[in-house]
Amino acid sequence: GESVGLHLPTLSVQEGDNSIINCAYSNSASDYFIWYKQESGKGPQFIIDIRSNMDKRQGQRVTVLLNKTVKHLSLQIAATQPGDSAVYFCAEGQSGSARQLTFGSGTQLTVLP
Amino acid sequence: DTEVTQTPKHLVMGMTNKKSLKCEQHMGHRAMYWYKQKAKKPPELMFVYSYEKLSINESVPSRFSPECPNSSLLNLHLHALQPEDSALYLCASNWGAGGNYGYTFGSGTRLTVV
Repeated sequence: GESVGLHLPTLSVQEGDNSIINCAYSNSASDYFIWYKQESGKGPQFIIDIRSNMDKRQGQRVTVLLNKTVKHLSLQIAATQPGDSAVYFCAEGQSGSARQLTFGSGTQLTVLP
Repeated sequence: DTEVTQTPKHLVMGMTNKKSLKCEQHMGHRAMYWYKQKAKKPPELMFVYSYEKLSINESVPSRFSPECPNSSLLNLHLHALQPEDSALYLCASNWGAGGNYGYTFGSGTRLTVV
């Protein structure tokens, strides 16, 4: 999603459904990408990463898809659970000595019972 | 130990106070970072230390002063802050050049400047 002013994009899904969170990244030179989950009052928690030489990577209940042509990243969460409710950030980075990350604007995921 | 530990978790300080935020990791990571996060916004990079040397300062005001006493510790010294500096301050670490890309973040220090 893309941010508008101070409002986080939001996504509400029913418990048990699949969630798809989207992210547009900005730098065509970025060669790795990370998805983070941030719960209220906590620091970002690593979910999954992907390098630019891949277009798909799967983890436990999560899949990240990378489309370099349109600079688009998505996170798919299977069988969404209440504990998945959080803000999700994508981050992009470039190989180099400092491994800097630039974060996207974030998406608030709310899982409905 | 796979954690980044930040202290204190919460801090309230006046504009004339001097305080320090602390960050510690024992994963052998050689790069450490300070980020600032405002409500409903993504983290923004402030400083990067690589092998205990400051490698990046993202034009941060001098009222924020980082220090890396050794490879496991990172401090952020605060002096004469403004109310707009109130935010969540996050520390992160990773292997740095040639290593695992993934960052590990601490839980942050919630700073309120009054």
